[in-house]
Amino acid sequence: AQKITQTQPGMFVQEKEAVTLDCTYDTSDPSYGLFWYKQPSSGEMIFLIYQGSYDQQNATEGRYSLNFQKARKSANLVISASQLGDSAMYFCAMREVNSGGYQKVTFGTGTKLQVIP
Amino acid sequence: EAGVTQFPSHSVIEKGQTVTLRCDPISGHDNLYWYRRVMGKEIKFLLHFVKESKQDESGMPNNRFLAERTGGTYSTLKVQPAELEDSGVYFCASSQVRGTLHFGNGTRLTVT
Repeated sequence: AQKITQTQPGMFVQEKEAVTLDCTYDTSDPSYGLFWYKQPSSGEMIFLIYQGSYDQQNATEGRYSLNFQKARKSANLVISASQLGDSAMYFCAMREVNSGGYQKVTFGTGTKLQVIP
Repeated sequence: EAGVTQFPSHSVIEKGQTVTLRCDPISGHDNLYWYRRVMGKEIKFLLHFVKESKQDESGMPNNRFLAERTGGTYSTLKVQPAELEDSGVYFCASSQVRGTLHFGNGTRLTVT
């Protein structure tokens, strides 16, 4: 079974509008974490935001916020006031801790976001 | 601090040839990960080093892939002999114990 599901292969958003990128996950680990990474056309992977499973509040980092709904196992990324430079691939990822105490991070298939001027 | 660096950035080789990818993690990061992304698919886990030891190599596709991390510093990933389906972008990442993964810029491998 897929551990991380991103159902939107591509999204368009008008500049200055907000956009939500969906991510659902599947785990039986009570302690896990969720990440979002951005991959622009230049190829590097840029860390955006992190949410721990026990965090009481939704994570926010500037224009990025993570809409964490634990019961629904979803961790959607919200980008407010989109900018042209936000056009990129966005990957959702989940960290679990294995029996040896080490983390393993699993990624989704990504969503390609295009911001329209 | 210097980030994760990968070399080469691009490699084009013929089927049957050998290629070695290198990753230099952030200094002090004991955890080093290799991932691969094939066009349009997820970023797939290959293996995880803790210092020089392979902690998890469950994602290695077959025995044509060999990863090493001698001395617990840089790591190499060798593909021998390369096949067409090995084409993709190979990412290396490093982290502290359970910290955020810091990625390199990747190596784009094309096997023709």
